Amino acid sequence: TQLLEQSPQFLSIQEGENLTVYCNSSSVFSSLQWYRQEPGEGPVLLVTVVTGGEVKKLKRLTFQFGDARKDSSLHITAAQPGDTGLYLCAGAWGGGGADGLTFGKGTHLIIQP
Amino acid sequence: NAGVMQNPRHLVRRRGQEARLRCSPMKGHSHVYWYRQLPEEGLKFMVYLQKENIIDESGMPKERFSAEFPKEGPSILRIQQVVRGDSAAYFCASSPTGFTEAFFGQGTRLTVV
Repeated sequence: TQLLEQSPQFLSIQEGENLTVYCNSSSVFSSLQWYRQEPGEGPVLLVTVVTGGEVKKLKRLTFQFGDARKDSSLHITAAQPGDTGLYLCAGAWGGGGADGLTFGKGTHLIIQP
Repeated sequence: NAGVMQNPRHLVRRRGQEARLRCSPMKGHSHVYWYRQLPEEGLKFMVYLQKENIIDESGMPKERFSAEFPKEGPSILRIQQVVRGDSAAYFCASSPTGFTEAFFGQGTRLTVV
């Protein structure tokens, strides 16, 4: 069973601060996705990373894929209360998707005004 | 372009009844995935289907659970003789060509009383 470890599990910070959350595995991903989920809703895809060392930016969010494709990070600059939510990473290992995506347990992020 | 549609959003069943959860993928998507989410346990892969075929059901319990994705109509996740432990949020995701990224529906919250 492939495992994805996300850290921290919970994070509460003040508006305007910066933060980084992590997603790690002992195995090499073929691709990795980050999702954000709000209570009572489904996960919403934020980004997909495929290439080792890849960096993608989405406004104040910066996603990085490790060179070895075993880990990823999400950095949020100047966090806003609207960033509050559950951040999930999901990895694919098999080609063609036959194994499905494996999800981490997520980081619960709270941004306090 | 409508997103992934799941219905019902909320479903209450008594122990021993059957639950049917429906998922209509995004237009043009022929790959459907079902996940179950329990509090503090993250999203767990259940089954991966393409039109009229089950590709991977390794995450689905052997008893009482079944899934289909017919040529016409939505994908159905069926749970027979529900028990309290089946209470969870069930999410469907779709993708156009295998598992590089997934788009999720809003989920069906099943409560077994």
